[in-house]
Amino acid sequence: GAGVSQTPSNKVTEKGKYVELRCDPISGHTALYWYRQSLGQGPEFLIYFQGTGAADDSGLPNDRFFAVRPEGSVSTLKIQRTERGDSAVYLCASSLYGGLETQYFGPGTRLLVL
Amino acid sequence: AQSVTQPDIHITVSEGASLELRCNYSYGATPYLFWYVQSPGQGLQLLLKYFSGDTLVQGIKGFEAEFKRSQSSFNLRKPSVHWSDAAEYFCAVGEVDTNAGKSTFGDGTTLTVKP
Repeated sequence: GAGVSQTPSNKVTEKGKYVELRCDPISGHTALYWYRQSLGQGPEFLIYFQGTGAADDSGLPNDRFFAVRPEGSVSTLKIQRTERGDSAVYLCASSLYGGLETQYFGPGTRLLVL
Repeated sequence: AQSVTQPDIHITVSEGASLELRCNYSYGATPYLFWYVQSPGQGLQLLLKYFSGDTLVQGIKGFEAEFKRSQSSFNLRKPSVHWSDAAEYFCAVGEVDTNAGKSTFGDGTTLTVKP
């Protein structure tokens, strides 16, 4: 079956612009996670959805970052007033029920802020 | 707060040689531990995980890992490395108390395989 997909695969934007990154989880997976991976580092947790609700957004770095999952499937990570420090690979993962279930990762969106 | 340390940034081994990648964690309770592999252009793939029970865990692609509570370690091993194992490997500890499933990752070890 289809895995987790993310679009776009690459995004180049200018400082101060707004960007949206999309994640399509595996069909039927109720849990969805966003991580950010900076160069030379491991993924860093941003936010976790259970269904339509954000169950834990403790990893969002500031209020420029926001994510939604309105129908409990596709999720969009939104970044306002982008800064050069936001440049990273943004990873999405989904799992069947959350908790101890295996997380399946997408290929990521590479964001470059000029 | 939980944390993961992977002491080796880069390891090079010859094809057919054995491999051990080190992982040390910090967590207040019994941890949930994971090893992932990330190949260029591909997403993270789970190799194996430890929740409880037998401290020697078998995973995919011939990998295994051993949980040692006394050393706060969860090292990944493979008896004979193949060229296709060249990739970046991440150790992670999962959050137990909230059961959210969110993980804290180490900074990874890059594996190069010499022919």
